[in-house]
Order: sequence, then C-alpha cells, then structure tokens
Amino acid sequence: GAVVSQHPSRVICKSGTSVKIECRSLDFQATTMFWYRQFPKQSLMLMATSNEGSKATYEQGVEKDKFLINHASLTLSTLTVTSAHPEDSSFYICSATVIGALETQYFGPGTRLLVL
Amino acid sequence: DAKTTQPPSMDCAEGRAANLPCNHSTISGNEYVYWYRQIHSQGPQYIIHGLKNNETNEMASLIITEDRKSSTLILPHATLRDTAVYYCIPRANQAGTALIFGKGTTLSVSS
Repeated sequence: GAVVSQHPSRVICKSGTSVKIECRSLDFQATTMFWYRQFPKQSLMLMATSNEGSKATYEQGVEKDKFLINHASLTLSTLTVTSAHPEDSSFYICSATVIGALETQYFGPGTRLLVL
Repeated sequence: DAKTTQPPSMDCAEGRAANLPCNHSTISGNEYVYWYRQIHSQGPQYIIHGLKNNETNEMASLIITEDRKSSTLILPHATLRDTAVYYCIPRANQAGTALIFGKGTTLSVSS
C-alpha cells in the first residue's frame, strides 16, 4: 500500500512556542490530505482538509489561526501549532488519498505533541 | 447522531475467527463501507472496503447484508497482533471526502 510519513514522531515544547509537523506521501501524489487529532482514550477527530495549492478547510471548532496548514506540493502538507498550550498536547495524524484512486485513505504514523 | 453502531469491545482466542459487527442503517446509496484498525499509538491501517458485494483480501473478509444496513468484518485466524481498535466507516468515494471515525470496537486477542 501507499506510504505516508510524518515528522517528527514526537515533540516536546514549551508553552507559547510554535511547532511544525510535516506529512509526506512517499510513493504517490496526493491532491488532498487530512489532519486529525486524537486525545487519550478517544477516537480520531477530523481537524481540516488540505488541498494542494489552496486554502485548507477547517472543521467547526478548529481555529484556523492557531492550526496553520500549508499544502505546497502534491507530496507535502504541514501543520503548525502556533502559540502552543498544554491543552494542545495530543496525537496528531495525517492522511492522504491517492490521485486516481479515491477509494483508500492512507494514514501516517502520527506525531505525539507534549506542551509543557 | 452516530452513523455507525459497533460493540465497544470484543474478545477472541488466538487462532479463532473474529467476527466484528457494525450497524450502519442510515448509509447512503453512494457510500462504501470502510474498515480500518488502529493499533495502540499508531496511525489507522486500511483493512478492506465494499459497496454491496462481499469482499475478501489477504487481511480479512467483509460481509455486507443485502439491505446494506449492516456488515461484519471477519478475521479468519486472529493473532495477538490483531489486537486493536476496529472502525467501521461509511464514506462516499468522492474527492476530498474524509473518513469520520466513530468509537469503534476494541478487539482483544489472547492466547
């Protein structure tokens, strides 16, 4: 199957700083990538849909100015958590859909963010 | 309202078949049934999907009822590595359509 990578796999930062998470499709091109967040013992929650070359679409309740998404190429999307606070500590997961094969969404391994 | 109903948890003995049910009575005509699983602290893994016919691949079989209101994922010979949360998700095959996760079923396989 198609491979999606994320970097870093885990990050610890101080409150008030910004953190960038990269999501890459390694062996395919993806016009659409999705960002999810997962808190302990909960299911994945969709944060935003990222389309290459256009602005991301955010789900209700997700602050677009706090969670900046950039999808500059067909293989890379980035999520920047700006002015991070302890309540932003979570497991962030991206996924991508293969161009020409809309059926399957492939997920990255996730990034665990801890804000102190 | 939740689009799917799955039992919160199930147990299975290693080597036996695991049958995971899912109720999706409000599924739309253009929505496929997708199954993913998430092993602890990892990203979700695609298992299988189907529209109305039963499907089988190297990982599992998917049985969809004729009225499409429910389905069952079958792991024919469960192993300890199959311990995970299993999600049943209706999704239309349209560009830009995300998977929306419910609570899933936690499958515990024991020796």
